Amino acid sequence: DAKTTQPNSMESNEEEPVHLPCNHSTISGTDYIHWYRQLPSQGPEYVIHGLTSNVNNRMASLAIAEDRKSSTLILHRATLRDAAVYYCILRDGVNRDDKIIFGKGTRLHILP
Amino acid sequence: DAGVTQSPTHLIKTRGQQVTLRCSPKSGHDTVSWYQQALGQGPQFIFQYYEEEERQRGNFPDRFSGHQFPNYSSELNVNALLLGDSALYLCASSLDLPYEQYFGPGTRLTVT
Repeated sequence: DAKTTQPNSMESNEEEPVHLPCNHSTISGTDYIHWYRQLPSQGPEYVIHGLTSNVNNRMASLAIAEDRKSSTLILHRATLRDAAVYYCILRDGVNRDDKIIFGKGTRLHILP
Repeated sequence: DAGVTQSPTHLIKTRGQQVTLRCSPKSGHDTVSWYQQALGQGPQFIFQYYEEEERQRGNFPDRFSGHQFPNYSSELNVNALLLGDSALYLCASSLDLPYEQYFGPGTRLTVT
């Protein structure tokens, strides 16, 4: 079973910020929080990952709660191209052979 | 860099037949993972190959087998196809900890 909990779907208006929540109450000390997204008819693509501190990259920001039991993926200015399924995943940062367990993710709808 | 490539793009097989799917990892990546994605679901981990050996396996029957070649490319074989094997099969490659995985576009398998 997936170790994270996400809302099934969310809606946002184009050009507005989007906050995608994820709960991971059973996270261990060596688990990294990864986000992937899957655009229609494509394979998943990596978005961002973090361990304890908030992270920023060209695609998004990741805000991690102080107790690490939840996190939020932030798209600063959503475009129609950001409509996708977003997956929040925990990955063991020590064992390279840790398999990815995908949940159902959050389907993000962007309204023009 | 061509990224992860998969072949064929689409495939139609009859129940009971066997199928082989192919994956070329991103340049420099030594680890290949395979996933099955049924319609409307998140990807499910099948197995992972590293140094030409199966290192991790998900909850899939022995009908699913694989191989990794010295150039790190990989094959997924499925024997005795069932209607339920119809899905998108995704290949992902990775390298370093905490290792983001790069996914290919997938092979759409239809079993009739």
